[in-house]
Amino acid sequence: EVQLVESGGGLVKPGGSLRLSCAASGFTFSSYSMNWVRQAPGKGLEWVSSISSSSSYIYYADSVKGRFTISRDNAKNSLYLQMNSLRAEDTAVYYCARESTNCGGDCPFDYWGQGTLVTVSS
Amino acid sequence: SSELTQDPAVSVALGQTVRITCQGDSLRSYYASWYQQKPGQAPVLVIYGKNNRPSGIPDRFSGSSSGNTASLTITGAQAEDEADYYCNSRDSSGNLVVFGGGTKLTVL
Repeated sequence: EVQLVESGGGLVKPGGSLRLSCAASGFTFSSYSMNWVRQAPGKGLEWVSSISSSSSYIYYADSVKGRFTISRDNAKNSLYLQMNSLRAEDTAVYYCARESTNCGGDCPFDYWGQGTLVTVSS
Repeated sequence: SSELTQDPAVSVALGQTVRITCQGDSLRSYYASWYQQKPGQAPVLVIYGKNNRPSGIPDRFSGSSSGNTASLTITGAQAEDEADYYCNSRDSSGNLVVFGGGTKLTVL
């Protein structure tokens, strides 16, 4: 059974840092691109960042570029999101999501974790 | 990056058919994926590609696409289909991902 379990969320002051983790199990983690998606309270989904299976390709939304860093450790079946210079508008539930394979350029996010809440407030 | 536009809210009578749409320039090049999200839960993939359903998704869910518009159709809506629905796709560069603003579906 595919499982994605996020951790590391919490309350942080503006300007602070936080590192989120996503532990994957039930599939060959090293074969899949992974993503972070966030959802501010009462708002819609916002894609944050993606990383290819071997970390060769990394992309960020403009809203987090230069402040957030995505990484992965395939030996530990883990995905990370280092968040620096946090702002109030970064307050959201952060989901990790697996990107399906063998689907050309239209690969959906086929499995999602339950999310971890990040609150940026003084 | 491009944007995807969805109607904020749609309603449907129990057992009737409803179409939820998603518009954006990137949809001329990429298929949309559709996700269902119920309150307090993570999103669930319901439709992807030309018209593909993951295992476990009822066949009353279907997808289609024409020009810059993708559609999710629920044929015979059930009470349990009441949820928020989001589309996503690649942006025009093919590197970034964009989500629509979401559609709140109410089943009357």
